[in-house]
Amino acid sequence: AQSVSQHNHHVILSEAASLELGCNYSYGGTVNLFWYVQYPGQHLQLLLKYFSGDPLVKGIKGFEAEFIKSKFSFNLRKPSVQWSDTAEYFCAVIPSSNTGKLIFGQGTTLQVKP
Amino acid sequence: EPEVTQTPSHQVTQMGQEVILRCVPISNHLYFYWYRQILGQKVEFLVSFYNNEISEKSEIFDDQFSVERPDGSNFTLKIRSTKLEDSAMYFCASRKSLIPPYEQYFGPGTRLTVT
Repeated sequence: AQSVSQHNHHVILSEAASLELGCNYSYGGTVNLFWYVQYPGQHLQLLLKYFSGDPLVKGIKGFEAEFIKSKFSFNLRKPSVQWSDTAEYFCAVIPSSNTGKLIFGQGTTLQVKP
Repeated sequence: EPEVTQTPSHQVTQMGQEVILRCVPISNHLYFYWYRQILGQKVEFLVSFYNNEISEKSEIFDDQFSVERPDGSNFTLKIRSTKLEDSAMYFCASRKSLIPPYEQYFGPGTRLTVT
């Protein structure tokens, strides 16, 4: 079945550690890719997005993601996490449809220890 | 910066009751969406709405659900007869255009608790 998979459900890191969250999707054709973050008690915010062009995209707060078409992946990275990065992270895909609906992965809870 | 707003932030209702969740999308946006997130599960697409009609709906969006844009600013989700399993966080989103790089902007959500 077509889906978006996030491999890590709960990640615990110490401050300054590097972060990589995996995301794979199973949709063919052209897809638009996103990472959203949800800080405790807040709404979903866009971290970064990929539509076309350079497969390495940079987002807010020092996050970046790399689109690897051959692997159907869009992993999120940050070289050095901070306590304030504690949040839930969602990978999402807009498959080739004409309505722009987002299909989300199950989310990864990141806990950064000070 | 413009934002999507949702009211109420938390709604408690009894099983079988009707609820209406309200959203005010960003004013110049044309595409509107509802998603829900059951506690501990992924965010799921419910319905998309454009030009005063539903453009796509998921299997979850059965006859108990309806959406409306009654006055050109509000975008509502109605659940006619709530069930326990409708308890979830409901997110509204809007988007200006389907052409990249336009993105969806999400509201803060309404937590619906059905008892």
